[in-house]
Amino acid sequence: ELKVEQNPLFLSMQEGKNYTIYCNYSTTSDRLYWYRQDPGKSLESLFVLLSNGAVKQEGRLMASLDTKARLSTLHITAAVHDLSATYFCAVGSGGYQKVTFGTGTKLQVIP
Amino acid sequence: NAGVTQTPKFQVLKTGQSMTLQCAQDMNHEYMSWYRQDPGMGLRLIHYSVGAGITDQGEVPNGYNVSRSTTEDFPLRLLSAAPSQTSVYFCASTGDTEAFFGQGTRLTVV
Repeated sequence: ELKVEQNPLFLSMQEGKNYTIYCNYSTTSDRLYWYRQDPGKSLESLFVLLSNGAVKQEGRLMASLDTKARLSTLHITAAVHDLSATYFCAVGSGGYQKVTFGTGTKLQVIP
Repeated sequence: NAGVTQTPKFQVLKTGQSMTLQCAQDMNHEYMSWYRQDPGMGLRLIHYSVGAGITDQGEVPNGYNVSRSTTEDFPLRLLSAAPSQTSVYFCASTGDTEAFFGQGTRLTVV
């Protein structure tokens, strides 16, 4: 059974600081997703990582994938308040059909 | 381009009542799924479908039924609602590399 672990579960950081969210998964997978969710809202797709060593960047967020270590990271550079949200990683298996989510990281950026 | 349309947005049910959560997509995706989201537990897969006429159970299927008569629609049925089914429900439609989510249904069972 595929298990996805995210840490930390909660992160409070000051504006301008850097930090990394980690996502570990237990079995071989062919794709890794990162989503953002604002309170009371749906999930917004941030990144899809499809191969070992994949790195994608959008603004202050950068995601990477190490399939050998079964690890993905979401790095936040010079955080701003607008990045406050809950971030989920999710791992695809069985082709892309089944997607298993981590428990999420609630990020609070303090001005 | 509507994407994934999920209704209703909010619902309150009494224990034992039944209801159907509707989900429709206009992207011609074969794969659709239902998740529930509970505090501290992320999203858990209830049921999924890989095409019209084909459905399968996910991680937490008990108490829920699904059917897929068309590519566009994937309704989720609660036959006899229980307080443990109080949650936020999301429908998703998955393309080649990305999953698109509906706006969610906040369900309370009293």
